[in-house]
Amino acid sequence: GDSVTQMEGPVTLSEEAFLTINCTYTATGYPSLFWYVQYPGEGLQLLLKATKADDKGSNKGFEATYRKETTSFHLEKGSVQVSDSAVYFCALRRRSQGNLIFGKGTKLSVKP
Amino acid sequence: EAQVTQNPRYLITVTGKKLTVTCSQNMNHEYMSWYRQDPGLGLRQIYYSMNVEVTDKGDVPEGYKVSRKEKRNFPLILESPSPNQTSLYFCASSLSPGLAGEETQYFGPGTRLLVL
Repeated sequence: GDSVTQMEGPVTLSEEAFLTINCTYTATGYPSLFWYVQYPGEGLQLLLKATKADDKGSNKGFEATYRKETTSFHLEKGSVQVSDSAVYFCALRRRSQGNLIFGKGTKLSVKP
Repeated sequence: EAQVTQNPRYLITVTGKKLTVTCSQNMNHEYMSWYRQDPGLGLRQIYYSMNVEVTDKGDVPEGYKVSRKEKRNFPLILESPSPNQTSLYFCASSLSPGLAGEETQYFGPGTRLLVL
C-alpha cells in the first residue's frame, strides 16, 4: 500500500544552520506530495506542495523537489530560525480516496 | 476568514458516554475528512466525505460514525467511546481531490479527547 517514510528526529540545529529532512514515498501512480508544519498546540498548516515530477514547491525559505526516480521529496532550508521550531510532516495524497498518507513527523528544534 | 472550526477543543469523558465533535468549514469545500493523531503512529484517516450525503471509511473507522447532511458540516460521532479512542482529532476540508490529489487539505485546530 501507499506509504511515506521520513526521518523521525528529533533534529536540533543552531540558528542559521542548513536543514534537510528526508522523505521518501511508495505509491501506485503519481500522487501529489505535501509538507505540513505543526507548531506547538496548533493544527497542521500547509508549508508547500508539488503535484508532478520535477516540480519544486517553495514557501518561507523552505523548498522541496518531487523526484520520481528516487521517489523522494526532501525538505530543505538554507538558514533556519528559532521560529521554525515545529513538527514537520511529509505526506502524499491519494487520488481515489482523497486522503493524505502522512509520515510520522520530524520534530525540529532551533537554538539561538 | 477562510477556516475549519472544531468544537470542543478539549473533552474529557467516560467510557460508553456518547459524544459528538463538530466540524464546520466556510470555504464551500466538497471534500471533508477526519484524522486522528497518535504518538508514534502519526495521522491516520478515520472517515471522509466526497460531498453531501456521500461518506466512506478511511483507514481506522472502527468505533466512529459520521454524517454529511450539509456541505459545511461534518460531525464525528463516538457512540460508545473507549479508552483506546483517546487521541488528538483533526478535521480537514478541501475542494475535490483532483486527478492527482493536488488540492490542498486545510485543517482545523484539533480536538484533544481523553476517555477514562
